[in-house]
Amino acid sequence: QKEVEQDPGPLSVPEGAIVSLNCTYSNSAFQYFMWYRQYSRKGPELLMYTYSSGNKEDGRFTAQVDKSSKYISLFIRDSQPSDSATYLCAMSGNNRLAFGKGNQVVVIP
Amino acid sequence: NAGVTQTPKFRILKIGQSMTLQCTQDMNHNYMYWYRQDPGMGLKLIYYSVGAGITDKGEVPNGYNVSRSTTEDFPLRLELAAPSQTSVYFCASTPRGDEQYFGPGTRLTVT
Repeated sequence: QKEVEQDPGPLSVPEGAIVSLNCTYSNSAFQYFMWYRQYSRKGPELLMYTYSSGNKEDGRFTAQVDKSSKYISLFIRDSQPSDSATYLCAMSGNNRLAFGKGNQVVVIP
Repeated sequence: NAGVTQTPKFRILKIGQSMTLQCTQDMNHNYMYWYRQDPGMGLKLIYYSVGAGITDKGEVPNGYNVSRSTTEDFPLRLELAAPSQTSVYFCASTPRGDEQYFGPGTRLTVT
């Protein structure tokens, strides 16, 4: 089993829809959970960062962590064409840092 | 605050040539990393450093070398470039070893 699993399949949604992305992980030592957004031909930028189970909101973005199920999610409400990007999950703990492969999201106007 | 800067932005190398990818951060971060990103393959860690004078191998170190003589700079050296090293290279830094701040990347083609 890979340390971090993220379904890379492209996701197309109409403008205004809710985007739901998720990752699963196998390493119980992971304590910090992050989501990065990467626009085409740019470096990843940190979008959300959390270290506990539960929800964290930032504007239209909500990060959800369920440590008991080893499952994290990112929700984007009222999606905009400017949200079209690749979203990577990442997690760290015990000096380990692992990234998912990324999920390409396209928001159609 | 420029954050993490990388040079060059693009480079084409011939097989067997060498080059150094530059990375500089002005945030006084102790931890720095080099990744390569291939299409559909995510980020793969090449080398990392937890402070000046300390470096260690990541997942895919073969064909690369690094040095960390200052907190700010973390250059990546490619010796004897091979087509398999065609990729986008990202440098990143972090103060604590968790959330990372990435540079804009260097697109390298080896032909």
